[in-house]
Amino acid sequence: ETGVTQSPTHLIKTRGQQVTLRCSSQSGHNTVSWYQQALGQGPQFIFQYYREEENGRGNFPPRFSGLQFPNYSSELNVNALELDDSALYLCASSSIAGSQETQYFGPGTRLLVL
Amino acid sequence: KQEVTQIPAALSVPEGENLVLNCSFTDSAIYNLQWFRQDPGKGLTSLLLIQSSQREQTSGRLNASLDKSSGRSTLYIAASQPGDSATYLCAVMDSSYKLIFGSGTRLLVRP
Repeated sequence: ETGVTQSPTHLIKTRGQQVTLRCSSQSGHNTVSWYQQALGQGPQFIFQYYREEENGRGNFPPRFSGLQFPNYSSELNVNALELDDSALYLCASSSIAGSQETQYFGPGTRLLVL
Repeated sequence: KQEVTQIPAALSVPEGENLVLNCSFTDSAIYNLQWFRQDPGKGLTSLLLIQSSQREQTSGRLNASLDKSSGRSTLYIAASQPGDSATYLCAVMDSSYKLIFGSGTRLLVRP
C-alpha cells in the first residue's frame, strides 16, 4: 500500500460526456502527477500539479484539465469524452516537485467510454 | 524525444528459472531509472530505483543494472516463482522530472 487513493475504481461513460477523477496523495506529499495507461501500453504523462499550480504537461489536449486543492488532493477532468479516452488513469504523489525521488502510485481508475 | 523500449514484450518461463528483462532508452540525459511491477488491472509498485550516478541496485531476488551511456538497463530475477507473474515496466525520469515508460514485459512463471 502506497497511501495514495483514487476514486472511483471503475467508471462507464458515453462519448461526449464529462468525467472527474479524484486522487488523495500520500501524507506529506505536495506534488501529484496524472498518467493515462491504455490497454497493453505503458502509462503516459498527462500533467503534474505542485502547490495547486500546473507544473508540466504532456501531449494531451486542453479538454484534459486538473486541479489541486490546499490539502494536496487532486482532480483530473476530461471533457467531451472520446472512445480513445478509455484507459486506466493513475495518479502518483511525491514530496517535492522537480526531485529525483520516486513517485508513489495509486491503484488507478478504470474508465470505459462507450 | 525520449523513447523507452522493453524487450521481450512477453515471456513465459518455468518456475525456478533465472531471467533477464531488458529496457533501452534513446536519451541518456536522465535523472534515474525505475522498474515497476503491475498486476492485472492494478496500480504500479516500485521495485528498484537506480539514480543516474549508480550502476545497479539489488532487492532480494531482484537486481537491476543501468548503463546510461549505452541507454540500457536490465532487470534480473533469480529463481523465479509463480508469484512473480505480472507486467514489469521500466521508466526513466527525464530532464523535466516526469516519468517516461516503456510498454512493459508480461511475465508468466509456470508452476
